[in-house]
Amino acid sequence: NAGVTQTPKFQVLKTGQSMTLQCAQDMNHEYMSWYRQDPGMGLRLIHYSVGAGITDQGEVPNGYNVSRSTTEDFPLRLLSAAPSQTSVYFCASSSSVPTYGVPLTDTQYFGPGTRLTVL
Amino acid sequence: TQLLEQSPQFLSIQEGENLTVYCNSSSVFSSLQWYRQEPGEGPVLLVTVVTGGEVKKLKRLTFQFGDARKDSSLHITAAQPGDTGLYLCAGLEGANNLFFGTGTRLTVIP
Repeated sequence: NAGVTQTPKFQVLKTGQSMTLQCAQDMNHEYMSWYRQDPGMGLRLIHYSVGAGITDQGEVPNGYNVSRSTTEDFPLRLLSAAPSQTSVYFCASSSSVPTYGVPLTDTQYFGPGTRLTVL
Repeated sequence: TQLLEQSPQFLSIQEGENLTVYCNSSSVFSSLQWYRQEPGEGPVLLVTVVTGGEVKKLKRLTFQFGDARKDSSLHITAAQPGDTGLYLCAGLEGANNLFFGTGTRLTVIP
């Protein structure tokens, strides 16, 4: 049981390049999400998915695309990288979907992160 | 404007000292979670508080949820170097959005 895995660990891109950050979980979790972490900003939600085939935008979705073709995988795509996208990216999953008004009952499991630098 | 404001942003203390970290918001939450993150790793859940006024203890860590469910605190007794890390609170906003606070970076000096 590997939990949540992310690849690559580190990546350097030039402005305008595209790439995909991979995220996979082997816990059969329905809910998956992507966050970016910048100094002094905490974690900010980019996109999330409540199940295969269903995705939605978070707080900072611009410049990022996602898809959820399987329960296990939730890749994050940068179509045209910009220096403002330099950050550490975390993928997370949980067995139940966090729902407004309902107390959180499940743990969000985070991957180890991808450190992305855009020059 | 941050949904969840944490204070202080940075805290450096000597081993053995006590400390309190705060998580404040103008919004009411059905529950709040606290996470700890170590360098180079993802956050790890410490606790979930659900009921207004609730107090939960995890060894030397005491978590409290405000009566109005708008704020929470984390108190560490006799801090140890192993407590060093970034402490994050998190709560739900909108349908399925889990929002995180700005974080408190704690350093415990041996």
